[in-house]
Amino acid sequence: KAGVTQTPRYLIKTRGQQVTLSCSPISGHRSVSWYQQTPGQGLQFLFEYFSETQRNKGNFPGRFSGRQFSNSRSEMNVSTLELGDSALYLCASSLGGAGATTDTQYFGPGTRLTVL
Amino acid sequence: GENVEQHPSTLSVQEGDSAVIKCTYSDSASNYFPWYKQELGKGPQLIIDIRSNVGEKKDQRIAVTLNKTAKHFSLHITETQPEDSAVYFCAASKNNTDKLIFGTGTRLQVFP
Repeated sequence: KAGVTQTPRYLIKTRGQQVTLSCSPISGHRSVSWYQQTPGQGLQFLFEYFSETQRNKGNFPGRFSGRQFSNSRSEMNVSTLELGDSALYLCASSLGGAGATTDTQYFGPGTRLTVL
Repeated sequence: GENVEQHPSTLSVQEGDSAVIKCTYSDSASNYFPWYKQELGKGPQLIIDIRSNVGEKKDQRIAVTLNKTAKHFSLHITETQPEDSAVYFCAASKNNTDKLIFGTGTRLQVFP
């Protein structure tokens, strides 16, 4: 089974621009979560999508948004980029659903975003 | 709020020795505790996970122990090898959510 794929792997943008990142989950997985990884803040949860609906959200400003398509692929968008948005953006997929315990999450390789 | 503390931040061991990384979580409702290994330029890779209905789980050279009363869980790597060198993250989460709260990471270096 193919793993989680993310595109692009690297991006360079300038302040004020907007960016869209893409994530394709493992086949059969319906939940996609996004995380931001920086040296200073570590790994922080952005949001989670399941069946095209945002089911959970972290403490990030409204400039960070996402969506999920009917095939479970997900995109996240960051508008009006700031220098502090430079980070590795990771997506993770899991089976999802309403199970009693958390499903195992599998991470993609990430998209390295640099804001100049 | 929810918090996971991880220690030590760096750990250097000789090849063949054991390595132990410890985490403490704040939310007593947490019931799922995965460990991830992240190598340079890669995403985190799940190496082992434990749920709150068991106290210990082992997979070859890797084991995880959980103390729900103390809200501690630990990763044990035995017979370390140079390829074990990486950053290791612990995490915790609760029922019916897929939000993982991560520790700050431990950089493990295994010297030949």
